[in-house]
Amino acid sequence: EPEVTQTPSHQVTQMGQEVILRCVPISNHLYFYWYRQILGQKVEFLVSFYNNEISEKSEIFDDQFSVERPDGSNFTLKIRSTKLEDSAMYFCASSAVSIPYNEQFFGPGTRLTVL
Amino acid sequence: KNEVEQSPQNLTAQEGEFITINCSYSVGISALHWLQQHPGGGIVSLFMLSSGKKKHGRLIATINIQEKHSSLHITASHPRDSAVYICAVNRVQFYFGTGTSLTVIP
Repeated sequence: EPEVTQTPSHQVTQMGQEVILRCVPISNHLYFYWYRQILGQKVEFLVSFYNNEISEKSEIFDDQFSVERPDGSNFTLKIRSTKLEDSAMYFCASSAVSIPYNEQFFGPGTRLTVL
Repeated sequence: KNEVEQSPQNLTAQEGEFITINCSYSVGISALHWLQQHPGGGIVSLFMLSSGKKKHGRLIATINIQEKHSSLHITASHPRDSAVYICAVNRVQFYFGTGTSLTVIP
């Protein structure tokens, strides 16, 4: 069964460093999403991406964040200068068509720890 | 301000019990989603609803658009149902509830 994969599973970085979180969505999916979940808190929407453009983004997704689909398979989230409060689990998701018309499939997450 | 409220926050049930988790939302939506988050953190989409009712195995989800309310029911609960159940809604953006932590005791 096709699945969304994410690498790395755990990333530890120093405050101020840049990190790139990688996702491989399901191959025939067209819509891609990033979410984050700070430990003990609810899941929060960051950004949606379609046709090589950001479709929607939340207030959290400021200039420190960027997304890219550098090739036909990867979807990346870059944090330019990490802060302590960026420590969270980051989930990637993809869907075949634009939700709400189709369900989304989540990756297993990348746990980012900023020291 | 919470656009999505879930109740209860925590729920413990005996195996075999019928379980109901409620979700209320305050924003206009295109669809409501029920998600399951396992203890390891992985998230699985259970249902996506824009009206009425859906059933999948022992899980039933209903939504009342006028009342801005949805329920997730689990019939004949089993210990493997133990997880956090999350309600999320979207129109343009996504809003998530804080989740209901369910523990089913054998």
